[in-house]
Amino acid sequence: AQSVTQLDSQVPVFEEAPVELRCNYSSSVSVYLFWYVQYPNQGLQLLLKYLSGSTLVKGINGFEAEFNKSQTSFHLRKPSVHISDTAEYFCAVTPSSGNTGKLIFGQGTTLQVKP
Amino acid sequence: EPEVTQTPSHQVTQMGQEVILRCVPISNHLYFYWYRQILGQKVEFLVSFYNNEISEKSEIFDDQFSVERPDGSNFTLKIRSTKLEDSAMYFCASSESHRQGGELFFGEGSRLTVL
Repeated sequence: AQSVTQLDSQVPVFEEAPVELRCNYSSSVSVYLFWYVQYPNQGLQLLLKYLSGSTLVKGINGFEAEFNKSQTSFHLRKPSVHISDTAEYFCAVTPSSGNTGKLIFGQGTTLQVKP
Repeated sequence: EPEVTQTPSHQVTQMGQEVILRCVPISNHLYFYWYRQILGQKVEFLVSFYNNEISEKSEIFDDQFSVERPDGSNFTLKIRSTKLEDSAMYFCASSESHRQGGELFFGEGSRLTVL
C-alpha cells in the first residue's frame, strides 16, 4: 500500500518570495509522483509529474519538484510566487505498475500568497 | 480546451434518499474515475471504470454505490440510501489512457450535503 504525507497544512508567504511545499511518501513498490493544484471553485489540475529520468521536473506556472528516492520525498518549489498562486496543492502517487490509474493523495497544502 | 463537467455543483438531500451525481468526461477519453473528499480530509479514490465495467474499487465503494455510463457520454455515480457521512465533495475524472502515469483530468466537483 502507498501513503502520502504533506507536512504543512497551510503555508503563508509574501508575493515574490520563494516557496517550498513538502511531500513525503511511503510505498513498498516503485511509484510515479504528481502534484495537482486546485484553484478556488475549480477542479484539480496537473502541475507536474515524475515518471522516470531526471529527478528535477518542471511544470506549469514556474513550479518545479525534485524526486529524492532515498528520502522518499517530492517537494514542490517556486522561486518567486504570485498572488495568483494562492490555491490548494495536492501531492499524489500511483504504483508504476498496474493499469487502474488510481491516485493516492496527500491531505493538501493551502498556499496563501500575501501582497 | 476540453474539460470534465459535473452536475450538480451542490446537492442537499435528506438521509436515506438516493442521489445521482453526473459527469461528462472529455470526449475521447476512455477511462473514468470517481474520487471524494470529506471536508478536512484527503482526496480518496472510489472507483475506476473502463469498457463499461469497474476496473478497480476502494473499500469505501460498497453496495451503496454504483457507477454507470448510460449513454456513451455521461458517467454517473449513484449513492443509495445516503448517510450523514456521505457528505463530501465528489470529483469525477477521466483519462485518455490507463497507462500508469497518464494525466487524469478532473471536474470541478459536486458537493453533496446529507442532512
